[in-house]
Amino acid sequence: DADVTQTPRNRITKTGKRIMLECSQTKGHDRMYWYRQDPGLGLRLIYYSFDVKDINKGEISDGYSVSRQAQAKFSLSLESAIPNQTALYFCAISKGQGSSYNEQFFGPGTRLTVL
Amino acid sequence: LAKTTQPISMDSYEGQEVNITCSHNNIATNDYITWYQQFPSQGPRFIIQGYKTKVTNEVASLFIPADRKSSTLSLPRVSLSDTAVYYCLVGEGSARQLTFGSGTQLTVLP
Repeated sequence: DADVTQTPRNRITKTGKRIMLECSQTKGHDRMYWYRQDPGLGLRLIYYSFDVKDINKGEISDGYSVSRQAQAKFSLSLESAIPNQTALYFCAISKGQGSSYNEQFFGPGTRLTVL
Repeated sequence: LAKTTQPISMDSYEGQEVNITCSHNNIATNDYITWYQQFPSQGPRFIIQGYKTKVTNEVASLFIPADRKSSTLSLPRVSLSDTAVYYCLVGEGSARQLTFGSGTQLTVLP
């Protein structure tokens, strides 16, 4: 089984709709992240969470919200989807405080298309 | 977060050694250098991380000079399956955020 699971893997929606992308992990890591990637570009951080009670905005949080329902689950919501939110979305996890490694484990990605 | 600069693209042939250099002039004392690999439509995968001198694992080596203002990822004897985008990241060991630049597109030719 994959360490990081994302659902759905693909989604097509219309402008103005509310969308939720879900991420779950089986490694027991404390830290979880949401990134988006546009074609030909690197990843940009949307939100991150270091534990259930810790939620932080990343580089591009406008238009997005998140929920850390449990240590293993981190959801990303688009309150009112717009076409320029069409992108590939990745969830990632990493070890908690004390680790000296910037090693993040990424999920398979969710391809979102907003029409 | 220290800014990194790396070539946009590189071509190589199967069986050759590939060296990708990353510049990070503003690296801080507590920063580590980390490299990721990404295949199309997949999430990035951690390759290697180092602080100084040389680090080697089963897939790559990382060379860091004494001033730490640059680093070189070395991939020995590349194959077609090594065609991917390679990202160089610089940040504190327990950084709250990682910044992915545009990366280097490595294309391995037969």
